[in-house]
Amino acid sequence: EVQLVESGGGLVKPGGSLRLSCAASGFMFSSYSMHWVRQAPGKGLEWVSSISSSSSFRYYADSVKGRFTISRDNAKNSLYLQMNSLRAEDTAVYYCARGRFGELSSSLEYWGQGILVSVSS
Amino acid sequence: EIVLTQSPGTLSLSPGERATLSCRASQSVSSIYLVWYQQKPGQAPRLLIYDASSRAAGVPDRFSGSGSGRDFTLTISRLEPEDFAVYYCQQYGSSPPTFTFGQGTKLEIK
Repeated sequence: EVQLVESGGGLVKPGGSLRLSCAASGFMFSSYSMHWVRQAPGKGLEWVSSISSSSSFRYYADSVKGRFTISRDNAKNSLYLQMNSLRAEDTAVYYCARGRFGELSSSLEYWGQGILVSVSS
Repeated sequence: EIVLTQSPGTLSLSPGERATLSCRASQSVSSIYLVWYQQKPGQAPRLLIYDASSRAAGVPDRFSGSGSGRDFTLTISRLEPEDFAVYYCQQYGSSPPTFTFGQGTKLEIK
C-alpha cells in the first residue's frame, strides 16, 4: 500500500524557516517524481514544487521560487521542502504527492494527509 | 500561463440527480493533460479522472470525464450521498512541468 506521511509543520513567524518532510512507503520511491501541493485555509489547491526521481530536475511555482527548496533522499525514501523567508500567504496545508507513473506524470494519484504550516507573528 | 475556470462555483443537487461540472481553459489543453480530483472536508484530494476521460483505479463508473480543446466536463450520472464534495480540474504543463488547478466546484446537497 502506498503511503505518504508529512511532518515538520507548525507555527512560524514571518521571515522564519521550516523544513517539511514526507516519508514514503509501499512503492519504489527512487523511480518516481515527487511533488508538493498546498492549500490555504478555505481556498483551492496550488502546486508548489516538483523534483525528478534522481533530483536532476527541480521546478517551482513563481510564488515560492528563490525561497523554497525541494530535495529528496532516495536511500531514506524521503522528500523534503525547505521553506525560508516565510510569509503570511504561505500559510496552508502542505501535501506531498506522487504521480500516477514514474516521471512526467500529468496526474497526482497518491497524496499524504497534509501538514499545516502557519505563518504568523 | 493557462488559467482554468470552473463553473458553477457551487452546485446544489439531490441524491439520484445528474451532476455536470465544467472546466474551461484559457487556451487549448491536450486531453492527456486534463485531470479531475475530488476533495472532501479534512481530506486530501482524490484522483478521479486522468487523460480527460480515464477513470482512476477504484473510481465508480458513475463518474465520467469528457471534452477537448478548451472545454472539459465531469459528469456524475446519479449522485450518491458520498459524492457531495469539492471537485477540482487540473492541467499539466509539460515545459516546464507544472500543475495548474481550477478554483473548484462545490457540490452540495440540495
